[in-house]
Amino acid sequence: EVKLVESGGGLVHPGGSLNLSCEASGFSFSGSAIHWVRQSAGKGLEWIGHIRSKTNSYATVYSESVKDRFTISRDDSKNTAYLLMNNVKADDSAIYYCSRHISVAGLDVWGQGTTVAVSS
Amino acid sequence: DIQMTQSPSSLSASVGDTVTISCRASQTVSNFLNWYQQKPGRAPTLLIYIVSNLYSGVSPRFSGSGSGTEFTLTINDLQPDDFATYYCLQSYRTPRTFGQGTRLEI
Repeated sequence: EVKLVESGGGLVHPGGSLNLSCEASGFSFSGSAIHWVRQSAGKGLEWIGHIRSKTNSYATVYSESVKDRFTISRDDSKNTAYLLMNNVKADDSAIYYCSRHISVAGLDVWGQGTTVAVSS
Repeated sequence: DIQMTQSPSSLSASVGDTVTISCRASQTVSNFLNWYQQKPGRAPTLLIYIVSNLYSGVSPRFSGSGSGTEFTLTINDLQPDDFATYYCLQSYRTPRTFGQGTRLEI
């Protein structure tokens, strides 16, 4: 079974940092790009970035809303991708999902999400 | 950025109905258009990829069509399990962008 499990969410103060994890199983993680998408309470889905595979030089791309504050990385030996959130703001409060990208279907499998709350 | 606009934002229907949800892109997205279903408290799930391809395990009551900037998701013979929120997603250009969602209610 293809599965993604996010973890690491919680309460963080404005200006603080948090590191989310996305652990994969059931597929060739090293060959897949991983995307992060978030959803604020009662709102729609917002794509925030992705990291490509080693074959594609682990290239990363970010949305303007998180660029220079968030960093996506991966450890293929652990089948895990990470989202490091620095200098968080109240607007970063959301459920954060990771998703696998495959060449034909795009973002096909998603994790269950992890919740981040930014508050003083 | 490519703006994706869905219509309607919400829709009321009954079991057995056929409904259509539209997604319009501010510029061409070629055929890089997916549809997702999301139920309350759950992650989105893929329904349709590349405009009209049914994802594995998805009911054939779901279908997609369109090209360029205009796309449609059709759900035939609505079932109780179909009442959810639906999103389109373009993957033609970065940043990827979603429609704002269409809430399908009973």
